Amino acid sequence: DQQVKQNSPSLSVQEGRISILNCDYTNSMFDYFLWYKKYPAEGPTFLISISSIKDKNEDGRFTVFLNKSAKHLSLHIVPSQPGDSAVYFCAGGGGGGADGLTFGKGTHLIIQP
Amino acid sequence: ETGVTQSPTHLIKTRGQQVTLRCSSQSGHNTVSWYQQALGQGPQFIFQYYREEENGRGNFPPRFSGLQFPNYSSELNVNALELDDSALYLCASSKGGGETYNEQFFGPGTRLTVL
Repeated sequence: DQQVKQNSPSLSVQEGRISILNCDYTNSMFDYFLWYKKYPAEGPTFLISISSIKDKNEDGRFTVFLNKSAKHLSLHIVPSQPGDSAVYFCAGGGGGGADGLTFGKGTHLIIQP
Repeated sequence: ETGVTQSPTHLIKTRGQQVTLRCSSQSGHNTVSWYQQALGQGPQFIFQYYREEENGRGNFPPRFSGLQFPNYSSELNVNALELDDSALYLCASSKGGGETYNEQFFGPGTRLTVL
């Protein structure tokens, strides 16, 4: 039972354009969501998070949108840069955080020059 | 500020053996979580330690066990290794005791191969 789904294994975007990464979830108990970025041979790096009581959070080039009724969130990166090429993971966290994070399988974002 | 470190980087074991992986948490962090990432999958939560006690556990059998030390560093022990245990093992540290959400910072991982 996959509680967090990232249905696009890969995404190719031209440099300077907007990258939109999508994530769906089934667990209504998630209190917050996070996006992590991962380069090969490195651990995931935290990018941005959003509480379940909000519908948008912005940090520089990164914006996360949450649609609770659709159980869907998306990460927008604008403008996309070559250094953004990485695997992006969406994760959900429950109340208290003691149950750890539930991750999707990731989307490999490729920024083309 | 020192980040999360893990050792060893790579490890090869045979089926049935036991393995211990180590993690040093980021300065100022008192909570450590362990994740298993199989090839092509996202990280899967194994367990979390706070104040030297297990604070939450994912869907992993008892042969996966851990420890947290007074300096907040941690060990992951896996007994009776199986081929499916081959994966990248990630450690993440955070502030707080799991009562409130805190951002988790990940180490580079240990790549375990079971033959």
